[in-house]
Amino acid sequence: KNQVEQSPQSLIILEGKNCTLQCNYTVSPFSNLRWYKQDTGRGPVSLTIMTFSENTKSNGRYTATLDADTKQSSLHITASQLSDSASYICVVSVGGRSGTALIFGKGTTLSVSS
Amino acid sequence: NAGVTQTPKFRVLKTGQSMTLLCAQDMNHEYMYWYRQDPGMGLRLIHYSVGEGTTAKGEVPDGYNVSRLKKQNFLLGLESAAPSQTSVYFCASRPGQGLSGANVLTFGAGSRLTVL
Repeated sequence: KNQVEQSPQSLIILEGKNCTLQCNYTVSPFSNLRWYKQDTGRGPVSLTIMTFSENTKSNGRYTATLDADTKQSSLHITASQLSDSASYICVVSVGGRSGTALIFGKGTTLSVSS
Repeated sequence: NAGVTQTPKFRVLKTGQSMTLLCAQDMNHEYMYWYRQDPGMGLRLIHYSVGEGTTAKGEVPDGYNVSRLKKQNFLLGLESAAPSQTSVYFCASRPGQGLSGANVLTFGAGSRLTVL
């Protein structure tokens, strides 16, 4: 069964600290993995996409990694800011299909406090 | 540049009432989706459409119907609302397969529905 598991479920950190969110997947065939950020009361917004051949990709203070062998991805946030408080959702695309071929994780809720 | 617009943003219904949520996108996207989001459950797919005039069931379709008469609009209907349908509903769209940006979903801001 295609599944995406995220950990931790929630996380509280102090402003300025770094943190890492995890995403493990059992999706086959794998096409790509995307991280979304969802602010409270808003829809998710794409942060970055990882394809099979990519190991690391950065978007400002966000760095995503992908290990296709172990089927794990991480999202590292550097020097956290209050505005980073949000839910982070990992979404894996199933290769070779369309329509419903997106498997969602349940998200990690990050709270950054001052 | 509106993107994906959902109406209404909030609605309170009584059990048994019917209503329709409207999703409109101005990006000429082929694919459109309706999700519901509940605490601890993440986003779950209700119905989706891969083009004008087509619809298909997702993970949790029971109690909902959809229509895609125009490419830019995707309607989600509740014929007889139940308390279990209290949720936040998100519409999303993306370009067709093989097109630039085909794997990125653009979401609406959500519609919060409460069924009493």
